[in-house]
Amino acid sequence: NAGVTQTPKFRVLKTGQSMTLLCAQDMNHEYMYWYRQDPGMGLRLIHYSVGEGTTAKGEVPDGYNVSRLKKQNFLLGLESAAPSQTSVYFCASSGQGVEKLFFGSGTQLSVL
Amino acid sequence: AQKITQTQPGMFVQEKEAVTLDCTYDTSDPSYGLFWYKQPSSGEMIFLIYQGSYDQQNATEGRYSLNFQKARKSANLVISASQLGDSAMYFCAMGGNQFYFGTGTSLTVIP
Repeated sequence: NAGVTQTPKFRVLKTGQSMTLLCAQDMNHEYMYWYRQDPGMGLRLIHYSVGEGTTAKGEVPDGYNVSRLKKQNFLLGLESAAPSQTSVYFCASSGQGVEKLFFGSGTQLSVL
Repeated sequence: AQKITQTQPGMFVQEKEAVTLDCTYDTSDPSYGLFWYKQPSSGEMIFLIYQGSYDQQNATEGRYSLNFQKARKSANLVISASQLGDSAMYFCAMGGNQFYFGTGTSLTVIP
């Protein structure tokens, strides 16, 4: 089973460039999440979705946009990358809000 | 608003000893779940244990147990008989309307 797959695994951007991170899950999960992880700050919730066609803001949504056009996919977009967005990004999914999360392997993003 | 607090940035434990990692939470939701995840240096997130807000008994999974004190809003993780492979970051998390994580505790097991 693939579980949760994130692409790409590594990316380097220049300030002002745009990019999209793709998260795909094959477990028919309703809930999907995007987090960023920075040293000493744990995982902070960027955006999440409770079902196909829905999205909602988390703790740190500024500078990011998301879309959930298909149930299995959750896309995270950076329209104009900034050095402050250098981080490790994790996607996760779950069947319901109080069920454990299944994580992707993470994306290391560097913005120069 | 929901919030998870882990007040121990770093902990050390002797191999084969038990260790408790602290976690407190704040929520106004009546139904929620409490979780612990392990993140080794390789970076993956590994689920350890789950406690539901309505569960009467503390959860256990092998060497891991969750000390759930609902009135105090605490969900401490107890690792018994520590092993060298337990050295990692440990995150407490709460799921409900959203899913939030604490800032983590770095555990080092000393031989």
